[in-house]
Amino acid sequence: ETGVTQSPTHLIKTRGQQVTLRCSSQSGHNTVSWYQQALGQGPQFIFQYYREEENGRGNFPPRFSGLQFPNYSSELNVNALELDDSALYLCASSPAAGSSMNYGYTFGSGTRLTVV
Amino acid sequence: QKEVEQNSGPLSVPEGAIASLNCTYSDRGSQSFFWYRQYSGKSPELIMSIYSNGDKEDGRFTAQLNKASQYVSLLIRDSQPSDSATYLCAVGRGSTLGRLYFGRGTQLTVWP
Repeated sequence: ETGVTQSPTHLIKTRGQQVTLRCSSQSGHNTVSWYQQALGQGPQFIFQYYREEENGRGNFPPRFSGLQFPNYSSELNVNALELDDSALYLCASSPAAGSSMNYGYTFGSGTRLTVV
Repeated sequence: QKEVEQNSGPLSVPEGAIASLNCTYSDRGSQSFFWYRQYSGKSPELIMSIYSNGDKEDGRFTAQLNKASQYVSLLIRDSQPSDSATYLCAVGRGSTLGRLYFGRGTQLTVWP
């Protein structure tokens, strides 16, 4: 059984640019959640996708958007990058929406985004 | 008031000692509680989960939950240098399925 994989591992972007981060969910999992972890902070919930639809969103502006594909993989898109967007972006999958309540998440290895 | 608060740390203990990590949460509707370990530059790794009042033991780790006091703790017995990491407390609510609320983490250093 493969785990959650994220790409790329590291990324450097210039302020104002757009970025796309990718996540492949664990086999059998239909729900993907994205978190942002700034340096010295705990992960903050961005949004969750369940069966290709957004199923909950945290306190992030609309320039943070996502997609989930029929194979349950997911993308996180960030437009008009700001310096404060520099962070570790974490993806986690779970077998069903809300099941992370019972089992917690298994996170992918993350994408380190640096905005300069 | 933050959703989840952890003792600020950093916490430093000698090898073989008991490390005690604490966490409080604000929402009485919280139903699930987790501890994650995060090594520097790595993603968080789930190490313990607890859902009902009392203690839950797994090897050298014991999680304790007191819902009346809205308090969760993690004890690490016989601490090893390899336990040196940041420990994150996370809480799940029934009202926001799928979302976990994380504290800022407590940095633990175990010195030989």
